[in-house]
Amino acid sequence: EIVLTQSPGTLSLSPGDRATLSCRASQTVSSSFLAWYQQRPGQAPRLLIYDASTRATGIPDRFSGSGSGTDFTLTISRLEPEDFVVYYCQQYGSSLSFGGGTKVEIK
Amino acid sequence: QVQLVESGGGVVQPGGSVRLSCAASGFSFSTYAIHWVRQAPGKGLEWVAVISYDTTNKYYADSVKGRFTISRDNSERMVYLQMSSLRAEDTAVFYCVRDGEPSSSWYGYMDVWGKGTTVTVSS
Repeated sequence: EIVLTQSPGTLSLSPGDRATLSCRASQTVSSSFLAWYQQRPGQAPRLLIYDASTRATGIPDRFSGSGSGTDFTLTISRLEPEDFVVYYCQQYGSSLSFGGGTKVEIK
Repeated sequence: QVQLVESGGGVVQPGGSVRLSCAASGFSFSTYAIHWVRQAPGKGLEWVAVISYDTTNKYYADSVKGRFTISRDNSERMVYLQMSSLRAEDTAVFYCVRDGEPSSSWYGYMDVWGKGTTVTVSS
C-alpha cells in the first residue's frame, strides 16, 4: 500500500500569498496518478487536479499541480479568502489512498 | 445537473448491519465506476470500495474486506454499500463518488461527490 504524507499539517499564510503544499509517497506513484482535492467545512471534497497536473473543469488557474515519482506539489499562486480550507492528495497508481491533509489557515 | 445522493445512514449497534444507497442523476450512469469514500469525525478521507461501470469488477480497502459489499443496479441508477460486522471505528460520513473517466473499470480520481450520509456505530 502506498502511504501519502502531506506537509505541512497546517500552513499559515495571508490572502495574496503563494501557498506550496507537499505530498510525498512511500513508493513511486505510477504514471503520475495523483489527484488533489479541496474540502470546505461541512462540505464534500472537490476535485482540483488529476494526473498530477491537469486542472479539473471549472478550477481557477491559480491552482496548479506538479511532480512525479514520489514527490508532488499543489501550488496556489495567490490565496483568495475562500482558499483557506483543507487540501488532500490521493494516489491511484496502486490501489487508492489519501494523504492526511493540509489545512491552510489565515495568518 | 450531475448529482449523487446518499441515504441509509443512522445509528447502528456494534456487530450490526446497514445498507447505504446512492442515487445518481444527470449523467450516463452505466458508463462510470462508482466509489465509496468515508471520513471519520474530525479525520481525513479513506477510500472504501469501488465498482466498475458494468459490475464485473469490485475492489475493497483491506479495512473493510469481507465485511462490506458494493453493488449497483444500472437500470435503477443506484449503487449500494452493504455493511456488516460494524465496529466503532466504522463511524463516519460515507460519500458516494463518481470515477473521473467513463468506460473503464476505474481510473481512480473522483470528480463528482455526493453530500454524504452519516453512519454511527454505537450501543
